[in-house]
Formats: sequence, structure tokens, C-alpha cells
Amino acid sequence: ETGVTQTPRHLVMGMTNKKSLKCEQHLGHNAMYWYKQSAKKPLELMFVYNFKEQTENNSVPSRFSPECPNSSHLFLHLHTLQPEDSALYLCASSQDRGQGSNIQYFGAGTRLSVL
Amino acid sequence: AQSVTQPDIHITVSEGASLELRCNYSYGATPYLFWYVQSPGQGLQLLLKYFSGDTLVQGIKGFEAEFKRSQSSFNLRKPSVHWSDAAEYFCAVGDSGGGADGLTFGKGTHLIIQP
Repeated sequence: ETGVTQTPRHLVMGMTNKKSLKCEQHLGHNAMYWYKQSAKKPLELMFVYNFKEQTENNSVPSRFSPECPNSSHLFLHLHTLQPEDSALYLCASSQDRGQGSNIQYFGAGTRLSVL
Repeated sequence: AQSVTQPDIHITVSEGASLELRCNYSYGATPYLFWYVQSPGQGLQLLLKYFSGDTLVQGIKGFEAEFKRSQSSFNLRKPSVHWSDAAEYFCAVGDSGGGADGLTFGKGTHLIIQP
């Protein structure tokens, strides 16, 4: 039990579908993150939220839309995805942002396949 | 921009043998350094971290790592591996300047344990 829960664990969607990934952290943290893990590539930071405010967007295409209604929940809304978006999407949380020393705790990820 | 290089994509070690996984980083100042492990179907779990002080740091599961500034390295070691150590290992750098929130990861090293 890592304290960070992601649902669903697996998702298959067509290019015209709309779906959402959910992340919930039970650690009392203030910062939450979305990462993309593709085969043979390093983990890529997508978005950062701190106290529900988005603080970083790493040039992510608009077909990915994050939402953070409170410090415990983070969503990633998906629409009109491409096959190259197939990957493992990892959520993480940390006590605070702003310093690289904040330890990030990861969920198990959602394995997304876009057909 | 910071970067992390893990030169070994795969490493095979016999059970009971010693292990060293290499990590080199590129960063302008003293970075925050992390090693994470990812078992199949799981998220990333923190093994150990270096922020400052003693350059030899101890982690969980019997792992240790040594920060060598002159070589820009942070290699992970274990004196005797167990079959349960088979996993993907990621080295990561955090921004000590407080400019970025997320971590920069290497591509990972896949560890295979031979009986």
C-alpha cells in the first residue's frame, strides 16, 4: 500500500473516445503529479499541481486535460488520443512543491492502450 | 537542463552475487538524487536518496548508493542480490535550485536474477 491509488489499472480506448484517469492520495500531501512512462523512454513529467493549482505543464498536447478538485484527488481527462499515447500513466504526490528534495510517492499506474 | 544517464539497459546477476547499477547525471549544482525500483505491474518505490552530507547513503532492502561529485555519479550497490530484487531500477535527479517540481529520470536498468 503506497498511499496513492490509481484507477482504472488498465484502459483500452478508441481514438474518438473520452475517458478519465483517477488518482487519489491518502498521505495528506499538497502536491500531485502526472507522469507518462513509455517503453524505452524515461518517465516524462506531464503536469504538477500544488494546493489544487496547476504549477507546471510540460508542453503536453491539449488532448490531455488535468483536473485537481482538491489536494487529495487528481484526474487526467483524455479525448481524441493517438496510438502513440499508449503508455503507463503514473500519478505521484509529495508533501510540497518547489524543491527537488520533496520525496514523491507513486501509484501503480494506469496502463492505457489506444486503438 | 538536468539529465540522467543509466548506461546499462539490462543487467543479469546470479542470486547471491553483488550488484552495481550505474547512474550518471548532468546538473549545474549539487543535485538531489534518488533511486527508485519498479516491480512488474507496480508503481515506483523509493529505495534511497541523497540530499547532502555523507556521500554513502543506505536505503531499504539492503541497498546503498555512493555520490561521487567528481564523476557525476550515483551508483547503486547491493552486496548480495535475492531473486526478489528482479525489477526495473530508475535513477532520478531533483532540482536543488527549486526551479522545477518534478523529477528527471533515467531510462532505467532492467535487473535479471539468475538462479
